[in-house]
Amino acid sequence: DTGVSQDPRHKITKRGQNVTFRCDPISEHNRLYWYRQTLGQGPEFLTYFQNEAQLEKSRLLSDRFSAERPKGSFSTLEIQRTEQGDSAMYLCASSLIGQGGSDEQYFGPGTRLTVT
Amino acid sequence: LAKTTQPISMDSYEGQEVNITCSHNNIATNDYITWYQQFPSQGPRFIIQGYKTKVTNEVASLFIPADRKSSTLSLPRVSLSDTAVYYCLVGDGDRLAFGKGNQVVVIP
Repeated sequence: DTGVSQDPRHKITKRGQNVTFRCDPISEHNRLYWYRQTLGQGPEFLTYFQNEAQLEKSRLLSDRFSAERPKGSFSTLEIQRTEQGDSAMYLCASSLIGQGGSDEQYFGPGTRLTVT
Repeated sequence: LAKTTQPISMDSYEGQEVNITCSHNNIATNDYITWYQQFPSQGPRFIIQGYKTKVTNEVASLFIPADRKSSTLSLPRVSLSDTAVYYCLVGDGDRLAFGKGNQVVVIP
């Protein structure tokens, strides 16, 4: 257990439905990342936050994807109008970035999404 | 993106030392090098991080040459439980790119 939790761990949904995933980072961590991982591939960067500011979102896979981190604590990732190609593991990670620039990320267990 | 290149897979016998090399030719001056381990159906787990020369912790060593364009993760005396995918990353924030990693299989 890394201290990063994700909920739910598994989600099965029908095509066209909206889904929302939650990530609770390690409490003192200021950065929070979202990744997507498909079978046989490494994690694919989606977006990240430093405190409550979303520093990069252009690599979210489409405009159906959005993420928030209100108050710089937990974060949510929403996928609207899900498609079968959205089936994947969605990973969250947090880190404490300081002046030195070292970014040691701690990953949650992931949310496995299956779109039928 | 701070891209990295690693071998796709390698096998090793239990008890041997395993060395995994990663190329990162476009590493920036301020970039750290970080290695992660991932088991099936789990999130990646931090192994070790370094900036230059050699870093050692309780599970691995990381060797970084002076030009920093490559790095080598060394796992001493591997066991069956070290069978996993190992990823090398450089940089931070949105420059990070995992790649496909290196599948290490430890054979009894």
